[in-house]
Amino acid sequence: QQQVKQSPQSLIVQKGGISIINCAYENTAFDYFPWYQQFPGKGPALLIAIRPDVSEKKEGRFTISFNKSAKQFSLHIMDSQPGDSATYFCAASGYAGNTPLVFGKGTRLSVIA
Amino acid sequence: DVKVTQSSRYLVKRTGEKVFLECVQDMDHENMFWYRQDPGLGLRLIYFSYDVKMKEKGDIPEGYSVSREKKERFSLILESASTNQTSMYLCASSLSRGGRRYEQYFGPGTRLTVT
Repeated sequence: QQQVKQSPQSLIVQKGGISIINCAYENTAFDYFPWYQQFPGKGPALLIAIRPDVSEKKEGRFTISFNKSAKQFSLHIMDSQPGDSATYFCAASGYAGNTPLVFGKGTRLSVIA
Repeated sequence: DVKVTQSSRYLVKRTGEKVFLECVQDMDHENMFWYRQDPGLGLRLIYFSYDVKMKEKGDIPEGYSVSREKKERFSLILESASTNQTSMYLCASSLSRGGRRYEQYFGPGTRLTVT
């Protein structure tokens, strides 16, 4: 039973364009929503995270948009660069540190020049 | 700088063998996790541990067991390896202080092939 649905499975974006990855969740107890970035041969690394008390969080070219009523959140990568080519995972959990993350299935992003 | 290390990057084992995957973290983290990563399936939680000698089943614990005798070390054991356990295995760790959420750090992964 998948609790976090992620789309699309793969994405090709031109350099300088905007990459958008979407996630939807079912469990209303979730209140922590991170995005992880994984390069080939490496483990995932935290990119950016949001809690539902805000609707948007921006860090550099990366923005999370959060819609609590729709139970959806998305990652926007502005001015996408070839170095952003990686697999991106959304995740969700309760905020308490001892609740494990539930991950989406991942999106493979390719940014082409 | 947090470091999560895994004993092997690549491992090839035969069906029926007992397999040990080791994970060590150097930041005194309370929480440790084992995931497997398969194309199109994302990261699925096998087992996790909140403290020494404690373990909790994740979403797919069948065919696996774990051991945490020391705080820094979390071992994943495949009791009798099968071909459907061929996968990338990722270990992760995180702090657990004051009930709040801390970043989860991942190791580089072990690609296990069972033939």
